[in-house]
Amino acid sequence: GNSVTQMEGPVTLSEEAFLTINCTYTATGYPSLFWYVQYPGEGLQLLLKATKADDKGSNKGFEATYRKETTSFHLEKGSVQVSDSAVYFCALSDTGRRALTFGSGTRLQVQP
Amino acid sequence: SAVISQKPSRDICQRGTSLTIQCQVDSQVTMMFWYRQQPGQSLTLIATANQGSEATYESGFVIDKFPISRPNLTFSTLTVSNMSPEDSSIYLCSSVRGGETQYFGPGTRLLVL
Repeated sequence: GNSVTQMEGPVTLSEEAFLTINCTYTATGYPSLFWYVQYPGEGLQLLLKATKADDKGSNKGFEATYRKETTSFHLEKGSVQVSDSAVYFCALSDTGRRALTFGSGTRLQVQP
Repeated sequence: SAVISQKPSRDICQRGTSLTIQCQVDSQVTMMFWYRQQPGQSLTLIATANQGSEATYESGFVIDKFPISRPNLTFSTLTVSNMSPEDSSIYLCSSVRGGETQYFGPGTRLLVL
């Protein structure tokens, strides 16, 4: 079956530091890949997505590239802000049912 | 993006009782899903709510415990039946827009005492 593996958290960074959150996946077929973010006390928001190999999703300074050869979709940001503190979930979409399989989530804490 | 609302936003319930959670989408959608997020955990798919047919449940979830209704293309309900403290979670509904992107409701925070 499908699965998503994320790096464990929490990740603690200083403001303006570089961020990488690793995500690898196992899937049959050609899934779409997503990063969702959950800010404290809020619901789940789509951050970015990529639907095919070598696609790069980007939003709010975050980027992730769909790497089929390494089955990865690592999230990066060049300079984090305190407001980026949240839990980040990597997910893949089954090509047939569209249901999402989530990774375990990575908590990011950015300190001023 | 879709606008999805859920009711109630939170509730505290006694064990043995049932709670029905409502999910309303701002436009007609084919696919709706229900997820559970246990404290400090990731999201797990409970079932796919199909309009006009029975819901499709994931392994570990059964209709007697989590009955789902989907009376039309904009609305669904999830009932958590005969609750126990282990059912304390955030329950989220979602719908698919733009082909494959899922958008989520704000969630219902349930505490079972």
